[in-house]
Amino acid sequence: GDSVTQMEGPVTLSEEAFLTINCTYTATGYPSLFWYVQYPGEGLQLLLKATKADDKGSNKGFEATYRKETTSFHLEKGSVQVSDSAVYFCALSPYSSASKIIFGSGTRLSIRP
Amino acid sequence: DAGVTQSPTHLIKTRGQQVTLRCSPKSGHDTVSWYQQALGQGPQFIFQYYEEEERQRGNFPDRFSGHQFPNYSSELNVNALLLGDSALYLCASSLGPQDEQFFGPGTRLTVL
Repeated sequence: GDSVTQMEGPVTLSEEAFLTINCTYTATGYPSLFWYVQYPGEGLQLLLKATKADDKGSNKGFEATYRKETTSFHLEKGSVQVSDSAVYFCALSPYSSASKIIFGSGTRLSIRP
Repeated sequence: DAGVTQSPTHLIKTRGQQVTLRCSPKSGHDTVSWYQQALGQGPQFIFQYYEEEERQRGNFPDRFSGHQFPNYSSELNVNALLLGDSALYLCASSLGPQDEQFFGPGTRLTVL
């Protein structure tokens, strides 16, 4: 079945460091891909999305490119801030069933000042 | 504009009991989806309600049931609670079954 595998955490970086969180997926057809973020004490928020191959989603300095040839959707940010500390989830919505979202297990990110 | 709200915030039950969780969707949204998030894991899709009917269901037993009311709010019911049902239960609403889902803060259920 459809699934998402993402980099295990926790990941700890210093402020202004470059961030990459790896994500790969298994799905039939052409799923939509997402990154969600869960800040401490808050609900899940959609960070960015891409709906077709080679699309690049971007928001708040974060970027991810839909790579069908490698079935990947890696999250990147050039210079992280302390406020980026959160849990990040890679997710997909199957082409055949756009109603549900399938999440990875999450990556906890901590940024040191 | 209120976002998705859920109640209660926390609750504690014992094995074998039944529980009801509630969700009010974001203003203007007509679709509600429920997810279970075990500690340290990603959310798992339970089911989705649209037009007061269960539209799609994930891999959860029949002990998990739901309801959607005419005002689009929703309830999640879990019968015969097991220890493994302890989790954060998330509600998400959307403008239609396939539109972007907006998540509430969740209800933390602990089963003793």
